[in-house]
Amino acid sequence: AQTVTQSQPEMSVQEAETVTLSCTYDTSENNYYLFWYKQPPSRQMILVIRQEAYKQQNATENRFSVNFQKAAKSFSLKISDSQLGDTAMYFCAFMNYGGSQGNLIFGKGTKLSVKP
Amino acid sequence: DADVTQTPRNRITKTGKRIMLECSQTKGHDRMYWYRQDPGLGLRLIYYSFDVKDINKGEISDGYSVSRQAQAKFSLSLESAIPNQTALYFCATSLSGTGTDEKLFFGSGTQLSVL
Repeated sequence: AQTVTQSQPEMSVQEAETVTLSCTYDTSENNYYLFWYKQPPSRQMILVIRQEAYKQQNATENRFSVNFQKAAKSFSLKISDSQLGDTAMYFCAFMNYGGSQGNLIFGKGTKLSVKP
Repeated sequence: DADVTQTPRNRITKTGKRIMLECSQTKGHDRMYWYRQDPGLGLRLIYYSFDVKDINKGEISDGYSVSRQAQAKFSLSLESAIPNQTALYFCATSLSGTGTDEKLFFGSGTQLSVL
C-alpha cells in the first residue's frame, strides 16, 4: 500500500524568506501523480501544485516549486518570498495513475507559520 | 457558486443520532469521495464512488454508509453517531484518474461535533 510521510509537523519562516517542506512517499507504481494542497484557517482545501511522475521537469507555480526525486521517492515544496497569506496547513498527497485505488493518499500535514 | 457544495457547514449532534451529510457537484465528474480530517492525522478516505452504481469502502468506513443518488449527489450517513466521529468531513470529486489535469476538487467541508 502507498504511504505518504511528512516529517515536519510544524515550521515557521520569516516573511520574504524561502522555506522548504518535505514529503516522502512509498509506492511500487511507476505512473502516478503527486500534489501539494494548502489548507488555510478558512479550512478550504486549495491545490498548490501537482506533478506527474513521468515528467522529469519539476513543476512550478509562481512562488511555489517542487523538487521531485523519483528514485528517492521525495517530493518537497519550496515557497519563495513567503507571504503572510501562506500561513496554512500543507498536505502532500499521492494518487496512482488511473486512480484504481480510488483516491488521494495524504500525509499528516505540515503547519506553516509565516512571521512578519 | 461553488462547484462542490457540502451541507451543512457545521453540525452539532448527540450520541446515537442518525445524521446525513450531503454533497452535490456541478463539475460533471463521475468520481466522488468522502474524506475525514482529524488533527494530526491528515485526511483519510471513508468511501468513494466511480459512478452511480460503483461504491467502494475506503480506509475507515466502519460506522458510515453512503448513497450515490445521481452523478451529482453523494451523501454520507452516520447511522448512530459517536463522539469519536467528531471531525471535519470533506467531499471531493475528480476526473477519470488518467487525465493530464488530474486532481481532486474539494467542497468547503462540514465540521461535525458529536456530544
